Amino acid sequence: AQSVTQLDSHVSVSEGTPVLLRCNYSSSYSPSLFWYVQHPNKGLQLLLKYTSAATLVKGINGFEAEFKKSETSFHLTKPSAHMSDAAEYFCVVSDQSAASKLTFGTGTRLQVTL
Amino acid sequence: DTAVSQTPKYLVTQMGNDKSIKCEQNLGHDTMYWYKQDSKKFLKIMFSYNNKELIINETVPNRFSPKSPDKAHLNLHINSLELGDSAVYFCASSQVAAGLRNTIYFGEGSWLTVV
Repeated sequence: AQSVTQLDSHVSVSEGTPVLLRCNYSSSYSPSLFWYVQHPNKGLQLLLKYTSAATLVKGINGFEAEFKKSETSFHLTKPSAHMSDAAEYFCVVSDQSAASKLTFGTGTRLQVTL
Repeated sequence: DTAVSQTPKYLVTQMGNDKSIKCEQNLGHDTMYWYKQDSKKFLKIMFSYNNKELIINETVPNRFSPKSPDKAHLNLHINSLELGDSAVYFCASSQVAAGLRNTIYFGEGSWLTVV
């Protein structure tokens, strides 16, 4: 069984300050981990993914995430927030079956203020 | 070019009606999915098809029937719509044969409102 816990349902930062969105996972095997972003009334866009290569993963729009097996964490960070980053962010774990079923976290809403 | 496209984007319908949502992917993927996002933004898989064969069916009511005429299409038909079916439905696809650690690409979503 696999699961994902997003520790914050809502995060608010000022524009230009760092962003940290926390995610912990549970998996009985070496997982694949993803971060997806959903802007208001939009679809899901892949930000980045971890697939057992480098533990520090760089994604689009300046985001990156670090896979820490000892802490079972995959936190998403960005050095400087932009207003356009305001959205819902989902941490996701994939199982190893041929179906590649995704298990989503409950989401973190990122608010960026001036 | 849209990789995973689904229609309609918005659908408002009355209880008891039957409706369909269509999905097409032009990525050449062998696996397609339907996910449901509820009012609290929680996403959960409903179905998955690999090469037109149903491989995931997650405790979804029988009123929901997916149909995959070919690898590039996965349609979702819903009978006797209920208020609780109001949600956003996302179609997605991936290339499973290429390896297990593949990426799943999502469509823009279909906002279904049952009144």
